[in-house]
Amino acid sequence: AQSVTQLDSQVPVFEEAPVELRCNYSSSVSVYLFWYVQYPNQGLQLLLKYLSGSTLVESINGFEAEFNKSQTSFHLRKPSVHISDTAEYFCAVILAGAGGGNKLTFGTGTQLKVEL
Amino acid sequence: ETGVTQSPTHLIKTRGQQVTLRCSSQSGHNTVSWYQQALGQGPQFIFQYYREEENGRGNFPPRFSGLQFPNYSSELNVNALELDDSALYLCASSSVGTMDTQYFGPGTRLTVL
Repeated sequence: AQSVTQLDSQVPVFEEAPVELRCNYSSSVSVYLFWYVQYPNQGLQLLLKYLSGSTLVESINGFEAEFNKSQTSFHLRKPSVHISDTAEYFCAVILAGAGGGNKLTFGTGTQLKVEL
Repeated sequence: ETGVTQSPTHLIKTRGQQVTLRCSSQSGHNTVSWYQQALGQGPQFIFQYYREEENGRGNFPPRFSGLQFPNYSSELNVNALELDDSALYLCASSSVGTMDTQYFGPGTRLTVL
């Protein structure tokens, strides 16, 4: 069975500092990887995704994540955070080639709190 | 382009009651997925509908059921509500295909007393 582990439940960081949110997955087959962000009282928004090709993927608001197959990781990074980045971040996977719908399996989330 | 919408926003029920949650998919999408997000947890997959047929189900009991209509909107029905059903219920729409991004609605907050 596949699973997703987000090692940090909360990450406090000062504004303009770099941040890394960690995500590891376990799966015996290939996976597609996603990061979603959830602002208070809102649904989930896709931040970025890895499907194939370059292992480094970027979002439009400065986040990036690198797929590391050997370490089964997909950590999310941003070189300089802003107050508006305060939110809950979820890592998720879909099994490649699996039947039964393209279900997302989510981690438990990491609360990023950016402080002045 | 209209995004994914859900109704109602909030709902309070008592144990044993039944509830119906509704979702309108994004224009052009034919697949709807439902997720349950308990407080402090990540969303968990309930089931997915494609062209009005169930197309995958997570580890939820049969009292969780759904429908998809010809216009691709969807309902989630939960019978015999239990306290543990209290959660945020998220609907996501997408086009068919594993790699197609799922776009989430704002969710329905269900409280079971």
